[in-house]
Amino acid sequence: EAGVAQSPRYKIIEKRQSVAFWCNPISGHATLYWYQQILGQGPKLLIQFQNNGVVDDSQLPKDRFSAERLKGVDSTLKIQPAKLEDSAVYLCASSLDPGATYEQYFGPGTRLTVT
Amino acid sequence: AQSVTQPDIHITVSEGASLELRCNYSYGATPYLFWYVQSPGQGLQLLLKYFSGDTLVQGIKGFEAEFKRSQSSFNLRKPSVHWSDAAEYFCAVGPIGGGNKLVFGAGTILRVKS
Repeated sequence: EAGVAQSPRYKIIEKRQSVAFWCNPISGHATLYWYQQILGQGPKLLIQFQNNGVVDDSQLPKDRFSAERLKGVDSTLKIQPAKLEDSAVYLCASSLDPGATYEQYFGPGTRLTVT
Repeated sequence: AQSVTQPDIHITVSEGASLELRCNYSYGATPYLFWYVQSPGQGLQLLLKYFSGDTLVQGIKGFEAEFKRSQSSFNLRKPSVHWSDAAEYFCAVGPIGGGNKLVFGAGTILRVKS
């Protein structure tokens, strides 16, 4: 079974530029998560999708971050414009269903550096 | 507010020695508790989880954890550490909110010396 795929693995941009990350979850997983992991901190949930609907985006900085999950499968996370403090690893995860009882499977992440 | 504290940022142990990583949580009800491991350049992998029942849970790679309600702790243990265990370990608690999300601790980096 293929795992969660993410691309690109690394990205370096200048502040005020835009960037997009892509995630392909495990086949059949209805729930998709985007996390931000700043160096020295644990992952922080940015947005959670159930199929193509948003379940939780309470910690998503909506003035600059956006995410979509078309057709309930792949997802993209966009930052526009980027700030220095957005430098982090962006992790995508998926699970069969929402709920803490269901294991979340994580992708390798995209390391973003904003200069 | 729900939170997780991992008091140790770094821990160094000798190969073959025992290991205990500490995790304390704040949660208003009976929590679900998790330990994840993250190797460099990799995503997080679930080691073990506690939902209910036996307070000592066994996980993959020879790890175990014990839920102690009175101490609000869920410490991770391994009797004999291998060099391949060097990684960062995250404790998490949930479910939180309508989406049943998890809140993660800041992590503990484990170094193994030969």
